[in-house]
Amino acid sequence: EVKLVESGGGLIQPGGSLRLSCVGSGFSVSNNYMNWVRQAPGEGLEWVAVIYGGGDTFHADSVKGRFTISRDTSSNMVYLQMNSLRAEDTAVYYCARDSTSPGRAGYWGQGTLVTVSS
Amino acid sequence: EIVLTQSPRTLSLSPGERATLSCRASQSVSSTNLAWYQQKPGQAPRLLVYSAFVRVTVIPDRFSGSGSGTDFTLTISRLEPEDFAVYYCQYYDTSPPAYIFGQGTKLEIK
Repeated sequence: EVKLVESGGGLIQPGGSLRLSCVGSGFSVSNNYMNWVRQAPGEGLEWVAVIYGGGDTFHADSVKGRFTISRDTSSNMVYLQMNSLRAEDTAVYYCARDSTSPGRAGYWGQGTLVTVSS
Repeated sequence: EIVLTQSPRTLSLSPGERATLSCRASQSVSSTNLAWYQQKPGQAPRLLVYSAFVRVTVIPDRFSGSGSGTDFTLTISRLEPEDFAVYYCQYYDTSPPAYIFGQGTKLEIK
């Protein structure tokens, strides 16, 4: 069974840094497209970043230069390093794995809440 | 940059009725990369349909997707109480890679 569990969210001041973690089970992160998708309170879904099976990474323009997606295949984990956080980064952050074919997220974690506030 | 516009933003229907949700792309897109999700309050999204019309195995057959080019539709043939939720369309752009979401349609009980 595929399972994703996020952690690392919390309250952080503007300008601060936070690292989110996502541990996968039932599959290997090295063989799948792994994403971070966020949802601000009461708002829609916004894709944040993806790491391909081969290791290439891509980020949304809204976070480029501030956030970095990475992975540790030995522990089957995916990370989102978030720097220079802003109030508008406040959201639930979901870790999501693409289905067998890329481009659609067939598996999601339960999300972790990041609140950026002074 | 491709933009997905969903309509209506809110749809009020009764159980047993048919729901038709629209997703319009700002330019012609590959139907292979068009998906639909359902999200209930407090839950993560759930993939319903991919490649515009292929239903995920465990999804009931009252859900169907259609469309091509710039216009895509998610149809729920006969609404069940558990279908009232927010629905998102999503496009996977490969150049550069990005997952683009529509703003969502809230399907509420009338």
